[in-house]
Amino acid sequence: DIPMTQSPSSLSASVGDRVTITCRATESISNYLNWYQQKPGKAPKLLIYATSSLKSGVPSRFSGSGAGTEFTLTISSLHPEDFATYYCQQNYRTPLTFGQGTKLDI
Amino acid sequence: EMQLVESGGGSVQPGGSLRLSCAASGFTTSDHYMGWVRQVPGKGLEWVGRGKNPGHGYTTEYAASVKGRFTISRDDSKNSLYLQMNSLKTEDTAVYYCVREGGYCVNDVCYYYAMDVWGQGTTVTVSS
Repeated sequence: DIPMTQSPSSLSASVGDRVTITCRATESISNYLNWYQQKPGKAPKLLIYATSSLKSGVPSRFSGSGAGTEFTLTISSLHPEDFATYYCQQNYRTPLTFGQGTKLDI
Repeated sequence: EMQLVESGGGSVQPGGSLRLSCAASGFTTSDHYMGWVRQVPGKGLEWVGRGKNPGHGYTTEYAASVKGRFTISRDDSKNSLYLQMNSLKTEDTAVYYCVREGGYCVNDVCYYYAMDVWGQGTTVTVSS
């Protein structure tokens, strides 16, 4: 297994803030890293695949970077609808594994 | 519009069985890996398993926690995916999501998969 660790686990921020969430793998996963957003009571949504490629329709304020074992998700300027829980997920090798999540709230 | 709709969730006693179904629309399941992810309410996401498409031999892969108890199958003629869950344990209680793993190409490398379509989830409760 490849455990994924996100930091922080929770984050308080305000509209307009720039926030960064970190995801670390215990071994290199190249760039096989995806990011998801989940709002309460809803299914997750794919934001970013292959570390830095934005899924069609996702606002450009979201960006991803990294390689190997360390990755980041950055939201350049928070909008009210961005308050949610974010998960990273490695797709390098099965079993596919998720980070524990980062809850972003006001 | 691409959509996944799960059904079959419910309450069952430990040791029991349940079969979840997932009906896809707006895309062809035979073109994609399809899988299941579960989430204990208030907790994180856990991958359950996946079934690869015909081009990859219909291979199935499972998380260690469910291997030998859960079976993923698909009927591409019905554009559907299934999860047969046997020998259920209380720790299997969760919301189960059906997912499509879309394949993506980046810089001419086409081995990137991501869960790009999710169902609304169906709740499974295992309790005596």
